[in-house]
Amino acid sequence: NAGVTQTPKFQVLKTGQSMTLQCAQDMNHEYMSWYRQDPGMGLRLIHYSVGAGITDQGEVPNGYNVSRSTTEDFPLRLLSAAPSQTSVYFCASRLPSRGAPNSPLHFGNGTRLTVT
Amino acid sequence: AQKVTQAQTEISVVEKEDVTLDCVYETRDTTYYLFWYKQPPSGELVFLIRRNSFDEQNEISGRYSWNFQKSTSSFNFTITASQVVDSAVYFCALSEPYSGGGADGLTFGKGTHLIIQP
Repeated sequence: NAGVTQTPKFQVLKTGQSMTLQCAQDMNHEYMSWYRQDPGMGLRLIHYSVGAGITDQGEVPNGYNVSRSTTEDFPLRLLSAAPSQTSVYFCASRLPSRGAPNSPLHFGNGTRLTVT
Repeated sequence: AQKVTQAQTEISVVEKEDVTLDCVYETRDTTYYLFWYKQPPSGELVFLIRRNSFDEQNEISGRYSWNFQKSTSSFNFTITASQVVDSAVYFCALSEPYSGGGADGLTFGKGTHLIIQP
């Protein structure tokens, strides 16, 4: 049981480059989300999805795009990377809260992104 | 205002000491859920415990215990006889599934970095 799989584990980009962080889960979770973790800031929600075809913005969505064409996959796109996007990114999934309100978030192992 | 406050940014204790990590939350909902996660130096986020707002029983799991008090909106985490392997960043989180919006998500505190010195 793989859980939540993120790729790549590390990435270095130059300012202005674009890239996609991949996230896949095999637990049939309808809810998926992306967080970024910065020193002293905790985990901040970037975008989330409550099911295939549905996405919405979180607390810090600027500079990022997402799509959800399948239940399993939820990629995060950086269209034009900026140094302020240097961070550790976590993908997470869970069962829908209405059906399983105490379901915990399951996290991937993170992607460490550096933008120079 | 922060919904989840972990006022202790960093705590350092000597091995075998007991240590309590504080978590104070804010919500208008009557039904909500609280979680603790551990992030060891390797970086992954590990789920530790969840608690329903209508269940104020304290919980003990080995050296770990959690004290949930609705009257003070707190969900504190105590490690008894700490060990070096307990060194990590610990996050408290709140779920408000009936609030609408991004209700399926969790709101995290900023974390407490716990250092256990040998």
